[in-house]
Amino acid sequence: DTEVTQTPKHLVMGMTNKKSLKCEQHMGHRAMYWYKQKAKKPPELMFVYSYEKLSINESVPSRFSPECPNSSLLNLHLHALQPEDSALYLCASSQDRGSWTEAFFGQGTRLTVV
Amino acid sequence: AQKITQTQPGMFVQEKEAVTLDCTYDTSDPSYGLFWYKQPSSGEMIFLIYQGSYDQQNATEGRYSLNFQKARKSANLVISASQLGDSAMYFCAMSPDSNYQLIWGAGTKLIIKP
Repeated sequence: DTEVTQTPKHLVMGMTNKKSLKCEQHMGHRAMYWYKQKAKKPPELMFVYSYEKLSINESVPSRFSPECPNSSLLNLHLHALQPEDSALYLCASSQDRGSWTEAFFGQGTRLTVV
Repeated sequence: AQKITQTQPGMFVQEKEAVTLDCTYDTSDPSYGLFWYKQPSSGEMIFLIYQGSYDQQNATEGRYSLNFQKARKSANLVISASQLGDSAMYFCAMSPDSNYQLIWGAGTKLIIKP
């Protein structure tokens, strides 16, 4: 199963809401990533988990809170977001941190903050 | 500085023609990997092809080939016999060994005309 599954595919939330994005992989990958991508721009790295531990936080505001409950699952908890946080949120996984030749991306969650 | 440059924001190509997407890179690392990804409007980032800095031969994957010119620091993607389904955003990316992250270019939007 060479797939990264992200849910939901679309999400509309108000600025006072709390929601979560979910990412799942069953390839035995030990590194998982969250990216934010604005329209017509390349992805921007947000967080990296390696062996279920947060290893990189690219100065992301605290209204984004990642969680890695186990090696197959990665969540992104959202709270008090701003309209400028509207974007495509991509999850990726790789065999190990930085092994991009064996990395897969999910289809993303299109988030709209109203 | 580590950087990827894609100079073509958009391209229109007639179906069945070959297309070359330009990518130049800058790194002082002796060892690095170069990647091309395709991102259709659905959002998923699809890995197309990889070239290692020490690989002697240009990488090929089906209709995709990577024209790697190390001295010129270029890694152009060539798509032979383009198809309507090739219409998408294409990103060039680099992963230097000293920095396990992916460094992305700005992307090229390719539209195949019937």
